[in-house]
Amino acid sequence: AQSVAQPEDQVNVAEGNPLTVKCTYSVSGNPYLFWYVQYPNRGLQFLLKYITGDNLVKGSYGFEAEFNKSQTSFHLKKPSALVSDSALYFCAVRGGNAGNNRKLIWGLGTSLGVNP
Amino acid sequence: DAEITQSPRHKITETGRQVTLACHQTWNHNNMFWYRQDLGHGLRLIHYSYGVHDTNKGEVSDGYSVSRSNTEDLPLTLESAASSQTSVYFCASRTSGETGELFFGEGSRLTVL
Repeated sequence: AQSVAQPEDQVNVAEGNPLTVKCTYSVSGNPYLFWYVQYPNRGLQFLLKYITGDNLVKGSYGFEAEFNKSQTSFHLKKPSALVSDSALYFCAVRGGNAGNNRKLIWGLGTSLGVNP
Repeated sequence: DAEITQSPRHKITETGRQVTLACHQTWNHNNMFWYRQDLGHGLRLIHYSYGVHDTNKGEVSDGYSVSRSNTEDLPLTLESAASSQTSVYFCASRTSGETGELFFGEGSRLTVL
């Protein structure tokens, strides 16, 4: 079965420190990978995606993520965390045989807290 | 600017009543989706549409229906609301194809008493 795992329910970092939010996946075929952020009482917002090409992708608000095919991971990173980065982060993966009907599989989310 | 709006943002209803949540997007996207978000379950797909007059069931479609009469709107109807349908509902849209990202509405919080 295809799946996405965000192994940490919560991550806490100090402001100014680097942050990592982990995502691993198990899908067939070439995956399309996405990160979204949800601020309290808001809808999800797209951060970045990997479709093909360079394994390191850069996105909004200074976030980046690295696609690692051998480890089937797509960890979200930021060199220097801000208090305003505190939010819920979701990883999503589309896998399987190419076509318009491949299911998007969501992780359960990781709550990021950045302490001043 | 293009946007996707949901209404109402908050609603309290009683068991057995019919409820409709509205979703309107001005992105001109063909693909639209309804999700529910519950603690411990993340996002679960209820229904989706790839274009006008096209609707499809997602993983938790029982008790819900949608219709797509135009590109902009995908209303979600709960035929007979149940307490298990208390949740936060999100509408989303994207361009056709698999590489596009989703654009989400701000959510509708539904409480069924």
